[in-house]
Amino acid sequence: DVKVTQSSRYLVKRTGEKVFLECVQDMDHENMFWYRQDPGLGLRLIYFSYDVKMKEKGDIPEGYSVSREKKERFSLILESASTNQTSMYLCASSRGVMIATNEKLFFGSGTQLSVL
Amino acid sequence: DAKTTQPNSMESNEEEPVHLPCNHSTISGTDYIHWYRQLPSQGPEYVIHGLTSNVNNRMASLAIAEDRKSSTLILHRATLRDAAVYYCILATGNQFYFGTGTSLTVIP
Repeated sequence: DVKVTQSSRYLVKRTGEKVFLECVQDMDHENMFWYRQDPGLGLRLIYFSYDVKMKEKGDIPEGYSVSREKKERFSLILESASTNQTSMYLCASSRGVMIATNEKLFFGSGTQLSVL
Repeated sequence: DAKTTQPNSMESNEEEPVHLPCNHSTISGTDYIHWYRQLPSQGPEYVIHGLTSNVNNRMASLAIAEDRKSSTLILHRATLRDAAVYYCILATGNQFYFGTGTSLTVIP
């Protein structure tokens, strides 16, 4: 089975800090995604990547950036954390060239980030 | 605007069938319908997906309306382990649009 691993389960940071959330997948998937999940809002796409060094904005990219230097790793960066970025962050991956919408998404367990 | 609409919550008795509805009235011809579920403290996991025809797998069945504007996830015999939030997703273009999900409670 595909394994998507997020580096931290819980993270507490202070306002203004630079925060890195790491995600690694072990199945050679081309596509990787970062979502945030908030009560009553479901999952919202922040950024996605369909190849190394390629990235595309999702629905809510403001305040975030991403990095994909290697195929298996996709990092989410909060340049200057703010309290409204307190959320559950979920990483996902899928196979296929470009984003094939008939392919399954495989999710990590999530990182609960609290910004104080 | 939400691309999928689901009831916030549903209840089912254990070992009875469960029908979880979803409306996706803005669906276009090449959009796939996916269902995922999320157990407490876990990331979402894939359940089933389809395009036009009804689909069956070991976890569930997916019934898609003829006009494709709605679909129903069917769990044939609910167990306590099926208690989760079920998300109906429209996969369109290069994105997967999640709704707010239906929280399923299974009553022993």
